[in-house]
Amino acid sequence: QKEVEQDPGPLSVPEGAIVSLNCTYSNSAFQYFMWYRQYSRKGPELLMYTYSSGNKEDGRFTAQVDKSSKYISLFIRDSQPSDSATYLCAMRDDYTGANSKLTFGKGITLSVRP
Amino acid sequence: GAVVSQHPSRVICKSGTSVKIECRSLDFQATTMFWYRQFPKQSLMLMATSNEGSKATYEQGVEKDKFLINHASLTLSTLTVTSAHPEDSSFYICSAGDSFQEKLFFGSGTQLSVL
Repeated sequence: QKEVEQDPGPLSVPEGAIVSLNCTYSNSAFQYFMWYRQYSRKGPELLMYTYSSGNKEDGRFTAQVDKSSKYISLFIRDSQPSDSATYLCAMRDDYTGANSKLTFGKGITLSVRP
Repeated sequence: GAVVSQHPSRVICKSGTSVKIECRSLDFQATTMFWYRQFPKQSLMLMATSNEGSKATYEQGVEKDKFLINHASLTLSTLTVTSAHPEDSSFYICSAGDSFQEKLFFGSGTQLSVL
């Protein structure tokens, strides 16, 4: 079993839909959870950053962490064609500054149809 | 967020030549930078951790003599692909941590094509 599993996709939704992206993990030591968005042939862009369990909202994006279930989610409300990209979950364990290695999911490609 | 600049964005070279990729943290100091490789429709694969003023730490299976990393200052790390071959063609991405913000930011990536 891989450390981080992410729904393989691809995922296609109509504009305005609510999108739910999910990752599960096996390492209970993970404490910091991130979602990155990557457009084709570009570097990943940090979307959401959360520590431990709970919800965090930023505009149309909500990140949810459930450490007891080892499950994290990213919700996108009122999805737009510009949200079409690959979304990667990432996580790390003990905080040693931002200099600790991340473990990534494989990524899921989202397409939002106009 | 913090800015990480990576250059060049695209390079095409002949087999056997060496290619240098630069990664700069523009508005913060990064004692540690990471180098990743990404194949089409695949996730990021960590190649090595670059530490300012010391040797890089390579992941298992990554050839140190093939992928030379230099982190001579707090804002610059370079990855040199030596004697490049077509199988080295890939998308290379660097990242740097902003310890103040506790977050990791990525460069825009370099698409290497070896003919």
